[in-house]
Amino acid sequence: KNEVEQSPQNLTAQEGEFITINCSYSVGISALHWLQQHPGGGIVSLFMLSSGKKKHGRLIATINIQEKHSSLHITASHPRDSAVYICAVRSEDTGNQFYFGTGTSLTVIP
Amino acid sequence: EPEVTQTPSHQVTQMGQEVILRCVPISNHLYFYWYRQILGQKVEFLVSFYNNEISEKSEIFDDQFSVERPDGSNFTLKIRSTKLEDSAMYFCASTGRYEQYFGPGTRLTVT
Repeated sequence: KNEVEQSPQNLTAQEGEFITINCSYSVGISALHWLQQHPGGGIVSLFMLSSGKKKHGRLIATINIQEKHSSLHITASHPRDSAVYICAVRSEDTGNQFYFGTGTSLTVIP
Repeated sequence: EPEVTQTPSHQVTQMGQEVILRCVPISNHLYFYWYRQILGQKVEFLVSFYNNEISEKSEIFDDQFSVERPDGSNFTLKIRSTKLEDSAMYFCASTGRYEQYFGPGTRLTVT
């Protein structure tokens, strides 16, 4: 069973486009993380959310706790944004267990 | 900027051998994690560690796995008798107040 579902699985965009990646989860959570994984494999944490909205540069993350849904937006996308974006949730029940989505592979074409 | 380090970057071992993967978390962090990612698959939680003991573990983290913080800085993952299906990238992470910081990973290849 998948506690975390992401869509789309793959996304190709032209440079400059506005991008949205969605994450839905089925468990009660204490926090949701958006991560970026580069082709070399390294993982970088972009955001940790427990409510509302956060913005960092061209990245915006929102979460709706009632609907169990989060979105990651990238404004003015750039080829260097090409990566896999992963949604991960920290389970409320188990405290320190994380469930990961399968990731959204983003390619931004110049 | 502080970072999580992992050694080795790549380990090749024969089936049945023991391996120890090492991590140095960020010094003032209190929660530590091991994850694995089998090639082409999603990241999977293995174990979390707090206050020198396991806080949570997944079904994957069976008796073949153990974790230790032997000297207050290193955080190790031991696989007692490796199987082919243990081949994966293993990531260590530590948590500060808001975010998780991931190490660069150790690629484990079991032959």
